[in-house]
Amino acid sequence: EAGVVQSPRYKIIEKKQPVAFWCNPISGHNTLYWYRQNLGQGPELLIRYENEEAVDDSQLPKDRFSAERLKGVDSTLKIQPAELGDSAVYLCASSLHSPPDTQYFGPGTRLTVL
Amino acid sequence: GESVGLHLPTLSVQEGDNSIINCAYSNSASDYFIWYKQESGKGPQFIIDIRSNMDKRQGQRVTVLLNKTVKHLSLQIAATQPGDSAVYFCAETIGDDKIIFGKGTRLHILP
Repeated sequence: EAGVVQSPRYKIIEKKQPVAFWCNPISGHNTLYWYRQNLGQGPELLIRYENEEAVDDSQLPKDRFSAERLKGVDSTLKIQPAELGDSAVYLCASSLHSPPDTQYFGPGTRLTVL
Repeated sequence: GESVGLHLPTLSVQEGDNSIINCAYSNSASDYFIWYKQESGKGPQFIIDIRSNMDKRQGQRVTVLLNKTVKHLSLQIAATQPGDSAVYFCAETIGDDKIIFGKGTRLHILP
């Protein structure tokens, strides 16, 4: 069975440009998470979806970040415009049930903003 | 505020020896704890979890110990192998709230 799939794996952009990340969770997993991981740090939750509903977006910087999960399966995370401080690894995870439940992480997208 | 941290940023262990990775948490209300392993270029991988009504849980070559009195969590890896080289994160959560990760400990395996 395929795990969580993310693309692209790497992205380099100049500041003020937009960028989007895509995530395909494990089949049947209702809960989807987006995390940001800075170098040497643990992941920090940005947003959690239960099916297509965003149930926790308190840590999402809403002035420049947006996310969607229109059909309750795939999800996209967008940054517009990107800033230098947005350089990080963006991780997607999914779980079968709502928390607390085992989360399965994708490989992440490493974003570099120049 | 809530925080989860690790005592050591790096740990070097001889191959074949046992590894002990420690973690301190600050929120006494946390009731679920997880250990993750993250290899270079990959996302975190679930290792083992424990709920606050337990003080010990064993898996394959791994044991997690929870001491609620001093708010301390540890991960023990038996007979450490080269494939155990990674960064290990402890994480805590309360009920259905978000998981809070610590900063991580990098485990080096010495030949």
